[in-house]
Order: sequence, then C-alpha cells, then structure tokens
Amino acid sequence: NAGVIQTPRHKVTGKGQEATLWCEPISGHSAVFWYRQTIVQGLEFLTYFRNQAPIDDSGMPKERFSAQMPNQSHSTLKIQSTQPQDSAVYLCASSFGTNTEVFFGKGTRLTVV
Amino acid sequence: GDSVTQTEGQVTVSESKSLIINCTYSATSIAYPNLFWYVRYPGEGLQLLLKVITAGQKGSSRGFEATYNKETTSFHLQKASVQESDSAVYYCALSANSGTYQRFGTGTKLQVVP
Repeated sequence: NAGVIQTPRHKVTGKGQEATLWCEPISGHSAVFWYRQTIVQGLEFLTYFRNQAPIDDSGMPKERFSAQMPNQSHSTLKIQSTQPQDSAVYLCASSFGTNTEVFFGKGTRLTVV
Repeated sequence: GDSVTQTEGQVTVSESKSLIINCTYSATSIAYPNLFWYVRYPGEGLQLLLKVITAGQKGSSRGFEATYNKETTSFHLQKASVQESDSAVYYCALSANSGTYQRFGTGTKLQVVP
C-alpha cells in the first residue's frame, strides 16, 4: 500500500496562471478530502467526496477553485488565475468514512510568484 | 460550528522532560465527537497518533497519552519524558458525526532540545 499519492510535490506558478494538483487515494477508501495548510490557518478544509460524489465544498474559494473526482482512483484540485495568497501546502487525504482515521498524502507545495 | 483550538504554536522542551500540548474543542452538532491527535514528522506526511471515541476514556500511543474530558471539553496531549525524535508538528482534530469532515486545530510545533 503506497498510501495517498500526491503529484507534483512542488509546483511554482506565475501569478494569473492555472495550477492543477493530483491525488490518488488509497484503494478502497470511499472518502477523499482536500485541505490547505498554512502557518496562519493551520489545516483548512476545502472540499470532500464520498464515493466520487461531491459532498461538501464549503471551504473552497468559489471563484477560482474547483475539484473533481472522475473515478475512484484519482481526484484533482484546480486553481485558476493563481494569486500569491494561494501559496500553501495542499493536502489530499482519504479514509473509509468520515468518522474514522484519515490518511494523508505528503502534500503539494504550491508557490505563486 | 464545530472547532478545535490549540493555543501554543510552538513548544520547546528539554529531552527527558515532560510535555503537555493543549487542545480544547467545541462541538455544536453532536454531544460527544470523536477526538484525534495527528503528527507530522519532518519529511513525512501527517499521520494518526491516537484517537478516543468515548468521553472519559484515554488513548495512548508511542508514549503519548490524551484523555477525553467532556467536562472541560479538552483533549490535551501528554508525555512523561520526551525524546529528540518526538520533534514534530502535532494536530488535534475532531469528527462530529458521519457525513462531515474532520476539523483540525492550527497545530503545535514541538522542538525537543538536548
């Protein structure tokens, strides 16, 4: 079991460019989460899927962020027109359910210059 | 809404000394949420350290302990004697009920010095 895999590990984008982050959850896990980690906010919830269906995206900045889960083996987080304040570590996680242990990937560090 | 508060952003402790990292929670959607401590060691991903799902119970792992105190709504992490290898970032989290995501505190960076 390779755990939750996130690619790329590091990404640098210019202001205004698009960034796509990829996540491969653990096989068999029904819930997939995206969090954003910053020094100020800590672990900030963005969105989650259950059985590939979007359940709660209340943490997503609506205008430029979007997430998809086209199949059970991967999810993407897309940020359009990136801004310097989007710079953070984006964490993908998966679990068997929402009330159980969550397994995290190592994260993608996004830097917007 | 539901939330978790960690008041210390960073804690420095000398090796072999005792440790306590504070965590308090607020749960409005459920009386007794599940409580977790996660840890991120340098260069590694965030991983579960321990969890407690029953109020009044204690969880333990790797020498760390945390007791679910419903009276004070606290879930402090303690260790009697820390080692340099315990240096990491520790996150307290709660899960209110099925169908919602886990909520995390802002994290406490522990630095253990010789």
